[in-house]
This record gives sequence, C-alpha cells and structure tokens, in this order.
Amino acid sequence: GAGVSQSPRYKVAKRGQDVALRCDPISGHVSLFWYQQALGQGPEFLTYFQNEAQLDKSGLPSDRFFAERPEGSVSTLKIQRTQQEDSAVYLCASSSSPVAFFGQGTRLTVV
Amino acid sequence: AQSVAQPEDQVNVAEGNPLTVKCTYSVSGNPYLFWYVQYPNRGLQFLLKYITGDNLVKGSYGFEAEFNKSQTSFHLKKPSALVSDSALYFCAVRDRNNKLIFGAGTRLAVHP
Repeated sequence: GAGVSQSPRYKVAKRGQDVALRCDPISGHVSLFWYQQALGQGPEFLTYFQNEAQLDKSGLPSDRFFAERPEGSVSTLKIQRTQQEDSAVYLCASSSSPVAFFGQGTRLTVV
Repeated sequence: AQSVAQPEDQVNVAEGNPLTVKCTYSVSGNPYLFWYVQYPNRGLQFLLKYITGDNLVKGSYGFEAEFNKSQTSFHLKKPSALVSDSALYFCAVRDRNNKLIFGAGTRLAVHP
C-alpha cells in the first residue's frame, strides 16, 4: 500500500518479555518518527530518524527502549523486559515535507 | 518550551450546526501548526496545516482553521457538522527539532 504500515496491529506480552514493533514508512520518506500514545492522551514523541541516522532519542522513557533503522527504510522499535506501564499504542510516522503521515499503530498490552 | 493546549476535553454539537475545536500554542519563532483526526482503532489522519501565508487554512472534509498570531491560537472549524465527524481531534506544533508536539486531544461528538 501507499501508506505507513505497522505490524503487528496488536501485541500481548507477558511482563518481562521482549517485544519488537515494525514500521514500514512511505517509500522515499527520509524522516521517520515513533510516538507513544497512552489511553485517552495525545501522542508523545519517542525518537526520530533521518535516513538511517537516529537524530533524536530524547523521548525514549528508559534504556529498555531501543529503535533502529539500519538501511534508512524499515524501522524497528524494541522494548526489553516489558513492564505494565509500557502498555500503550505505538505510532510510527514518516515524512518528506512538513506533513507527517501516521500508521495505524501497534497496541501493546503487557499482562 | 514548546507546548499545545486544547482546553476542551469534549465538544458536543448538533448535526448541521457549526463547530469549533480550540487550540492554543506556545512556541519560539514562527510556528508550523497541524490538525489531525483519529477514529477508533485508527492512526492519526492529517487534516490541515499552517506554515505561512493566509491565516485561514482549508483542509480535508470541509474543515478549516484560523491562525491568530496575537492570540497564539489555531482553532479548527467547520460550517456544518456531520455525525461522521465524531472523532478525536489533535492539534500539534512542529518544534525546531522536527518533532510534533501534540495537545491532549478533544473528543468531538456530533448528535443527529
């Protein structure tokens, strides 16, 4: 498709389990962003890539969170040793202009 | 620090009536402002943006927004609401590091 694609759409993880969330941006988009959206709140910035370079990771809440985009296209957000407070929707966005286009998100539930 | 405020958690309006969803911002320099809409279990959909130029910006689905520099506001408007407009609306500002800073969101409920 032509939009941003995220997988899986839903993920249930047991506390302490590692998870990996995938984002396929719009082809040719240089910029890629990850956001975390808690229930009933606005999205909060996690990290930003320009091509393969991670230019800003100031929003990552702890060193359990790690993101990569090794070839400047697909990105993976990894969360190690998941905790209940990690339960949220994780949104990926890509852009080549002032406008960022979002995927449908991955809903992570940690039980 | 840059921030966005959406003072209303929920806005209720009757179908066919005009609607306004409020947004104020705080940013250094010239703002890049955006409105996004979110339907249940969906990602954010871009509605419109203000970068420069005319203060009245027209966007998707008949929505428009008015940029007011003196009041630091960017309210979303639509002349005639539809039931299908019921959703969660987010105002956002782009900071100098390229990331979007979102408001808390306003739930719009349009009643038949």
